[in-house]
Amino acid sequence: GAGVSQSPRYKVAKRGQDVALRCDPISGHVSLFWYQQALGQGPEFLTYFQNEAQLDKSGLPSDRFFAERPEGSVSTLKIQRTQQEDSAVYLCASSFMGTNEKLFFGSGTQLSVL
Amino acid sequence: GENVEQHPSTLSVQEGDSAVIKCTYSDSASNYFPWYKQELGKRPQLIIDIRSNVGEKKDQRIAVTLNKTAKHFSLHITETQPEDSAVYFCAAPSPENDYKLSFGAGTTVTVRA
Repeated sequence: GAGVSQSPRYKVAKRGQDVALRCDPISGHVSLFWYQQALGQGPEFLTYFQNEAQLDKSGLPSDRFFAERPEGSVSTLKIQRTQQEDSAVYLCASSFMGTNEKLFFGSGTQLSVL
Repeated sequence: GENVEQHPSTLSVQEGDSAVIKCTYSDSASNYFPWYKQELGKRPQLIIDIRSNVGEKKDQRIAVTLNKTAKHFSLHITETQPEDSAVYFCAAPSPENDYKLSFGAGTTVTVRA
């Protein structure tokens, strides 16, 4: 595709509901990142994949958060039993190289937990 | 991890004037410093980046300068235009895991016509 694609663009969930956020990176990009962006703040690192391997999940806030990239392309971020504090924009980014350089971001999924 | 501080948080400039945003970082081993621009409701986009082996890099009206001794880097926008209005984020990598970027809190730049 032309860029990193994320879906859905907006998600409203009731507290306690499970949600799944999808990221389609640029074809051929090795690295894939998930970031969380609270209102008025910079993105905060959640997790990092190199191809299908999840090399770092240290930024995931709790064990309710789970991410996967089974075939080294599309990635899904799942949040179980959503809480109000999970409300944020979830950004996906990819890069061709296996580093943090030249990241291409998606438009994000804005999650609102009521 | 890296601690990145960004100033100012908001900046209002007259069209045609210059805008300068400064970031400081905590770890002297950091070696890559990107700047991202995020327009309202849109995705962050890389506008310029610099590696630690150079002190300055320019791309048309945008420049980034790096002072490794003082551990700060700055974004300079000259001849500002209305389309420069956006939130700008600096970032620096965590030295123990350089794939992990720490972002500043952002600077909201408003260019007044």
